[in-house]
Amino acid sequence: QQQVKQSPQSLIVQKGGISIINCAYENTAFDYFPWYQQFPGKGPALLIAIRPDVSEKKEGRFTISFNKSAKQFSLHIMDSQPGDSATYFCAASTTGFQKLVFGTGTRLLVSP
Amino acid sequence: GAGVSQSPSNKVTEKGKDVELRCDPISGHTALYWYRQRLGQGLEFLIYFQGNSAPDKSGLPSDRFSAERTGESVSTLTIQRTQQEDSAVYLCASSSSTRPGTHIGKNIQYFGAGTRLSVL
Repeated sequence: QQQVKQSPQSLIVQKGGISIINCAYENTAFDYFPWYQQFPGKGPALLIAIRPDVSEKKEGRFTISFNKSAKQFSLHIMDSQPGDSATYFCAASTTGFQKLVFGTGTRLLVSP
Repeated sequence: GAGVSQSPSNKVTEKGKDVELRCDPISGHTALYWYRQRLGQGLEFLIYFQGNSAPDKSGLPSDRFSAERTGESVSTLTIQRTQQEDSAVYLCASSSSTRPGTHIGKNIQYFGAGTRLSVL
């Protein structure tokens, strides 16, 4: 019930391509869905976040798509760059409970 | 400081020894969290402090794990009688939100670089 399932585990995309990472959840009380980006040796950093009252949020090359009925959300990275190579985590939490439930992570490699 | 600071960055210990991990949150942040990240896995919530309220300890895996925080400053995570399965990166995060979830911008958790714990 508390899990967030993330796929794929790893992803290789050519420079300029679109990277897509998917997450699914079970707990319908979740109402905050952030994505975090983590570079080796660093802590995760917030990339973009969405609430379930909207179906899409875009910030630069990064877009979250949210499907409330399917209980799924995804991260799209347009025009992927080698500098985007990192591990990406989706997460979820409920109002009133700030602890985040994280997915298992996706290691993205953008080839030059 | 400008960000969340954790020390030490690396810790190697022998099985059965106690370890203390330190976290300095961003100044003014009322909330502080500890997570554990095992190799190849996601972050696992351990404990959450919010101001002077009782901490949420629901994620601590056993009574060998404990954490303290004095006011809105430094926190220490202690692992007693360490076991090999305790080997992981321990991450600390802080946020400024005083009312969880009321504003998407205020719920941002800022993470430190973590402490890599290796139990031999």
